[in-house]
Amino acid sequence: DQQVKQNSPSLSVQEGRISILNCDYTNSMFDYFLWYKKYPAEGPTFLISISSIKDKNEDGRFTVFLNKSAKHLSLHIVPSQPGDSAVYFCAASAHTGNQFYFGTGTSLTVIP
Amino acid sequence: AAGVIQSPRHLIKEKRETATLKCYPIPRHDTVYWYQQGPGQDPQFLISFYEKMQSDKGSIPDRFSAQQFSDYHSELNMSSLELGDSALYFCASSFLREQFFGPGTRLTVL
Repeated sequence: DQQVKQNSPSLSVQEGRISILNCDYTNSMFDYFLWYKKYPAEGPTFLISISSIKDKNEDGRFTVFLNKSAKHLSLHIVPSQPGDSAVYFCAASAHTGNQFYFGTGTSLTVIP
Repeated sequence: AAGVIQSPRHLIKEKRETATLKCYPIPRHDTVYWYQQGPGQDPQFLISFYEKMQSDKGSIPDRFSAQQFSDYHSELNMSSLELGDSALYFCASSFLREQFFGPGTRLTVL
């Protein structure tokens, strides 16, 4: 039972444009969300997080938006750069446990 | 900055053999997590330890066991290996809720 879903397995964006990666979750107990970036043969690298008390968190070119009523979060990357090409995972956890549930990932390709 | 260290990075075993994967968390991180990522799949949580005690358990097979030692490093022991155990095994450590991942151990079972 996939509690965190990323419905787009891949996304291609021109360099300089905005990349929007989406993530949906089903468990209303989730209150903390992370985005990870993963290159082949490497471990996931933390990008940005958001707690359920906020609806937006910004860090440089990366912004995460959380819509609790829709159980939806998105990662915006602007402007997109070729080095952003990687697989992006969203992950969620509930304060009642310390495990994270991961989405299936979205492979982003930024075209120079 | 120090990162999570995993060893070995690559491991090849045959069916029914045993394997031990090691994880060295970031200094002062008190929680260690183990994840398994099969080909084309998302990471699946296996087990976690907080202050050397098991804190949460996910989809870890009974053939696997893990522990966290006094120096906070953790080992994942896998016995009676099966072909389906071939995967990337990630360790992550945290102090609060943000988890930092190691580079992973790629286990291939032949």
